[in-house]
Amino acid sequence: SQQGEEDPQALSIQEGENATMNCSYKTSINNLQWYRQNSGRGLVHLILIRSNEREKHSGRLRVTLDTSKKSSSLLITASRAADTASYFCATDGQGGSEKLVFGKGTKLTVNP
Amino acid sequence: DTAVSQTPKYLVTQMGNDKSIKCEQNLGHDTMYWYKQDSKKFLKIMFSYNNKELIINETVPNRFSPKSPDKAHLNLHINSLELGDSAVYFCASSQSIWTFFGQGTRLTVV
Repeated sequence: SQQGEEDPQALSIQEGENATMNCSYKTSINNLQWYRQNSGRGLVHLILIRSNEREKHSGRLRVTLDTSKKSSSLLITASRAADTASYFCATDGQGGSEKLVFGKGTKLTVNP
Repeated sequence: DTAVSQTPKYLVTQMGNDKSIKCEQNLGHDTMYWYKQDSKKFLKIMFSYNNKELIINETVPNRFSPKSPDKAHLNLHINSLELGDSAVYFCASSQSIWTFFGQGTRLTVV
């Protein structure tokens, strides 16, 4: 079963606005990753944040992690139409040998 | 019922063997994928099929051959297994904005 839960399930914004997506999970983790999937294409890895990190930046992306609340957020600043995609969080549990577990994804639509 | 199911969940086999991992989705989706979770836990796409037709074929050794008998199934056959093939393999299916993942198959080649 998928332990990650992204919200909102769907988000529609105008170009230039910021988009925030959240992910919650249930068990202790080593890392949390965010992926993007364009319609009909495969997942593209965006960013990984380790359990001992609280915030990470990559270009227009900002990811936060709150292990006490078992949640993460992905912020895309100054959004572009090309950011339109589904975004997934994935966690891997402590123990070293556990598989990635995916949330259901947030569908982001950026309107030009 | 599980939306995307892949079997087996765990597979231990010797080098040189041929093995298959099966994937079935009961969602009526047109597109199915195989991903490999590498040692750093990153997911990389291997193949994508849409309505039984190969759409994406990333740089994967030709020992890996996907087979889609119908749009609800996408099986992954691996010939002459090597130690480096040890990984977790995920199947997924998608339609429109929704993508669902299987629980993964941990393949260990010894």
